[in-house]
Amino acid sequence: SYELTQPPSVSVSPGQTATITCSGDAMPMHHAYWYQLKPGQAPILLIYKGTERPSGIPERFSGSRSGTTVTLTVSGVLAEDAADYYCQSADTSGTSPAFGGGTKLTVL
Amino acid sequence: QVQLVQSGGEVKKPGASVKVSCEASGYTFSDYGISWVRQAPGQGLEWMGWISPYNGQSKYVQKLQGRVTMATDTSTSTAYMELRSLTSDDTAIYYCARDECTGGSCYGLHWFDTWGQGTLVTVSS
Repeated sequence: SYELTQPPSVSVSPGQTATITCSGDAMPMHHAYWYQLKPGQAPILLIYKGTERPSGIPERFSGSRSGTTVTLTVSGVLAEDAADYYCQSADTSGTSPAFGGGTKLTVL
Repeated sequence: QVQLVQSGGEVKKPGASVKVSCEASGYTFSDYGISWVRQAPGQGLEWMGWISPYNGQSKYVQKLQGRVTMATDTSTSTAYMELRSLTSDDTAIYYCARDECTGGSCYGLHWFDTWGQGTLVTVSS
């Protein structure tokens, strides 16, 4: 099945910028979405349609795209941003969603 | 506010079935689809399938075809996911999520703006 590729882990110090990439051949044809998962909590939508932030999501979270890769950028990382992050887009048919393998963000 | 509240954790024996519920509030239930996503221990997110409360249309991932059934009750704004013939590989946290797609091919329309809190299903003898 089609899967998007993310780095398994990213580590940054507080106040630094974290970038998490997500790549897939079909990415240029569909929007990308980013979710934050913390243990015991409901997942949260961080970015939709590539670059849009839902209300209530801090401005330090931003999304971008270049070719087959989309990127989630967390500027001025806080300790509370330590979590797993998943990208999502559509598969090659466009009619089913596909997730990345997830990236664990560690705040040193 | 928009909210999805799921039923509590379950422990099942291999071969049994489990039914998880997801009660929606804060929006018109039939205006959005409901997808089910699971996460096995130490693994990533896996989309299981989707159902439209508007017209009952559903689709399931091929690997679960024949074992999973999704349903909705619009009178109570509740979605259900039943998984049968459980094995240890089905041990996971199961999430429901509000899905932008309400019907048709859903081309490029599956994305999830609100999630339930998750239901842990443990399959063990």
